[in-house]
Amino acid sequence: NAGVTQTPKFQVLKTGQSMTLQCAQDMNHNSMYWYRQDPGMGLRLIYYSASEGTTDKGEVPNGYNVSRLNKREFSLRLESAAPSQTSVYFCASLLGEMNTEAFFGQGTRLTVV
Amino acid sequence: AQSVTQLGSHVSVSEGALVLLRCNYSSSVPPYLFWYVQYPNQGLQLLLKYTSAATLVKGINGFEAEFKKSETSFHLTKPSAHMSDAAEYFCAVSGSGTYKYIFGTGTRLKVLA
Repeated sequence: NAGVTQTPKFQVLKTGQSMTLQCAQDMNHNSMYWYRQDPGMGLRLIYYSASEGTTDKGEVPNGYNVSRLNKREFSLRLESAAPSQTSVYFCASLLGEMNTEAFFGQGTRLTVV
Repeated sequence: AQSVTQLGSHVSVSEGALVLLRCNYSSSVPPYLFWYVQYPNQGLQLLLKYTSAATLVKGINGFEAEFKKSETSFHLTKPSAHMSDAAEYFCAVSGSGTYKYIFGTGTRLKVLA
């Protein structure tokens, strides 16, 4: 079982470029999440998807869009990257019951220059 | 709205000493509370969770946490620190009726020989 897989692992973008971070889980989980991790700020929720076909804003959604392509996949898009979006991005999934464990990918380290 | 506050971004303890990492929560619904650990360049792993079954929760690697509703706290403890406990620890909150899964800012634990 691969669990939660994120691609790419590393990326450097120029200001204004766009890119999509991919996330896929093979655990048949209903809920999926995108977080960004910055020093001293912990993990901040960008967007989440409670189930296939639904998405909602988290704490820091500005500058991002998401797509829940199917039950397995949840992508995060930066339309016009800014240096402030330099961060480590984590995707997570959980079964859907909110008292259960979240499973995390290994992260994508994004640098915007 | 849900949130967690972790007091102390950095904690240092001597090997063999008590570990105490603090977490206070705010939630408009009965909370589910979690502690996760992150080792360098990795995703997060679940240490333990509180889901209302018992107020004292035991987790992996000798960690435990006690839910205190009167203090809105869920502090993480370990009687005797080991060098391998050096990592960053995150408290998280979710709740029935909401799909948001919110993390604190993290506490980096250093264990001194």
